[in-house]
Amino acid sequence: GDSVTQMEGPVTLSEEAFLTINCTYTATGYPSLFWYVQYPGEGLQLLLKATKADDKGSNKGFEATYRKETTSFHLEKGSVQVSDSAVYFCALKTGGFKTIFGAGTRLFVKA
Amino acid sequence: NAGVTQTPKFQVLKTGQSMTLQCAQDMNHEYMSWYRQDPGMGLRLIHYSVGAGITDQGEVPNGYNVSRSTTEDFPLRLLSAAPSQTSVYFCASTAGDEQYFGPGTRLTVT
Repeated sequence: GDSVTQMEGPVTLSEEAFLTINCTYTATGYPSLFWYVQYPGEGLQLLLKATKADDKGSNKGFEATYRKETTSFHLEKGSVQVSDSAVYFCALKTGGFKTIFGAGTRLFVKA
Repeated sequence: NAGVTQTPKFQVLKTGQSMTLQCAQDMNHEYMSWYRQDPGMGLRLIHYSVGAGITDQGEVPNGYNVSRSTTEDFPLRLLSAAPSQTSVYFCASTAGDEQYFGPGTRLTVT
């Protein structure tokens, strides 16, 4: 079945460091891909998305490119801030209503 | 818009007790779902609904019941709580590609 695999955390970075969180997927058909973010004590919220191959989603300085050839959707940010500390979830949706989530990667950013 | 609201925020139950987690949305979304979040396991789908009067099972439905009498409300019932149901529960509604999550209910079963 469809699945999402993302790198285990926690990831600990210093402020202004470069961030990469890896995500790969397995899916039949052509999924839409998403990154959701969960700040402490809150529900998940959509960070960015891409709906077809080679699309780049971006928001708040974060970017991810839909790579069909490597079935990947890695999340990147050039310079992280303390306020980016959160749990990040990669997810996919292949039509219908169901969204499949990865296990989440916790990011800690130190000042 | 309040978005998706959940009550209570925290709950402690004894084994065998029953309770209902409330979820409501004011965005007129047809599709709603319940997830549980456990460390290292991401979000697992418990039940979902594609509209009033229609519900279906997700990945981990055992021990939970749902109903959908209105578009707005989608309560989750724990029939006889077990320690394995200790978790954080999220309700979500869907519009297009995007899911909108409530703030969660942290449930502890002792």
